[in-house]
Amino acid sequence: GQQVMQIPQYQHVQEGEDFTTYCNSSTTLSNIQWYKQRPGGHPVFLIQLVKSGEVKKQKRLTFQFGEAKKNSSLHITATQTTDVGTYFCAGQGDFGNEKLTFGTGTRLTIIP
Amino acid sequence: KAGVTQTPRYLIKTRGQQVTLSCSPISGHRSVSWYQQTPGQGLQFLFEYFSETQRNKGNFPGRFSGRQFSNSRSEMNVSTLELGDSALYLCASSTLTSGGAREQFFGPGTRLTVL
Repeated sequence: GQQVMQIPQYQHVQEGEDFTTYCNSSTTLSNIQWYKQRPGGHPVFLIQLVKSGEVKKQKRLTFQFGEAKKNSSLHITATQTTDVGTYFCAGQGDFGNEKLTFGTGTRLTIIP
Repeated sequence: KAGVTQTPRYLIKTRGQQVTLSCSPISGHRSVSWYQQTPGQGLQFLFEYFSETQRNKGNFPGRFSGRQFSNSRSEMNVSTLELGDSALYLCASSTLTSGGAREQFFGPGTRLTVL
């Protein structure tokens, strides 16, 4: 079955440093979504990427979808304490109406 | 709009018992998915329901079952509980698009502890 891996599993950064998490799927995806889960909270949708090579920005966050639609990345510029949480990617297979498979997540902690 | 609600929020059971969790989706959302979240395994997909029909199913044993009602509310049931079933159970609702891609709106979860 489809597998979605994320690296790194944990990341500790100094406030103001950049952060990147990478997502890799074992199969081609029709789309990929990113979620953020704050400590003690539930996942909250951030963005969805659909097109090959797509790049989207949300303020300090930049999301990319690979050309082969098998990988994606989330980059945060100049991290802030509000960025603390676990970031998940979630991919949907290429055959439509398939379930979302969540990545293993990257837990980001910020050192003030 | 009110968000996704889940009841109960916390539950303590003993091995061998069964449990039923409830989820009320956002009004107008007809797709409901269930996930199990544990520290070691991350977010694992259990099943998805749409219009009272199971559309997708994850790799969980038959002890895990679910259903959806005509008002889109959903329940999941776990029978013969095991210690390893201790987890946060998250429900998510969504709308469907022609491309099949859909943003998931998560509820706060039910924290199940099996003793």
